[in-house]
Amino acid sequence: SQTIHQWPATLVQPVGSPLSLECTVEGTSNPNLYWYRQAAGRGLQLLFYSVGIGQISSEVPQNLSASRPQDRQFILSSKKLLLSDSGFYLCATNADRKIYGYTFGSGTRLTVV
Amino acid sequence: KQEVTQIPAALSVPEGENLVLNCSFTDSAIYNLQWFRQDPGKGLTSLLLIQSSQREQTSGRLNASLDKSSGRSTLYIAASQPGDSATYLCAVKGSGAGSYQLTFGKGTKLSVIP
Repeated sequence: SQTIHQWPATLVQPVGSPLSLECTVEGTSNPNLYWYRQAAGRGLQLLFYSVGIGQISSEVPQNLSASRPQDRQFILSSKKLLLSDSGFYLCATNADRKIYGYTFGSGTRLTVV
Repeated sequence: KQEVTQIPAALSVPEGENLVLNCSFTDSAIYNLQWFRQDPGKGLTSLLLIQSSQREQTSGRLNASLDKSSGRSTLYIAASQPGDSATYLCAVKGSGAGSYQLTFGKGTKLSVIP
């Protein structure tokens, strides 16, 4: 089964600073990869998904971007953080495209101050 | 647009009780439904996955049922323990081509009192 590694676990960044969150997957190849954000009282929101290297789809227009430089690496970035970017960011995968069961990482708590 | 609702939002029960968490969804054209557990400040742990063709799945003290036609799923927890305290999330995956998104409910926060 696949394992997802996310880092850092927590991050406090000033407004206007850049952001880079990394996610790597083990135990599978050519997985679908996802970035979700969980904001208090708003549930989980899909931000980006990727079905292959260099292939990124955005679900919500915002201040963030994503990249997939390698098969099992997914990066979430921002050039200038906003206060509204604060939240809990989760990386996920569903390597088995037939079953489509999702596995989530441990998350990054981002606080923009 | 798919909407997922979980009732109740919070539930407190004494240890040892059996309990049921409810999940409803508005669009029955789903590929599967997945129940997750989330501990405070942590990621999501998958509990049970039910494909659209299935009626239920069981794992240990957990049993999840799916009634696709009525847009409902339940998660049954037998003999609850304090360690079961967490937020339980229900998520559905659409069956349309190119449908990659999971739609989540807002969760039920469960407290099991020793």
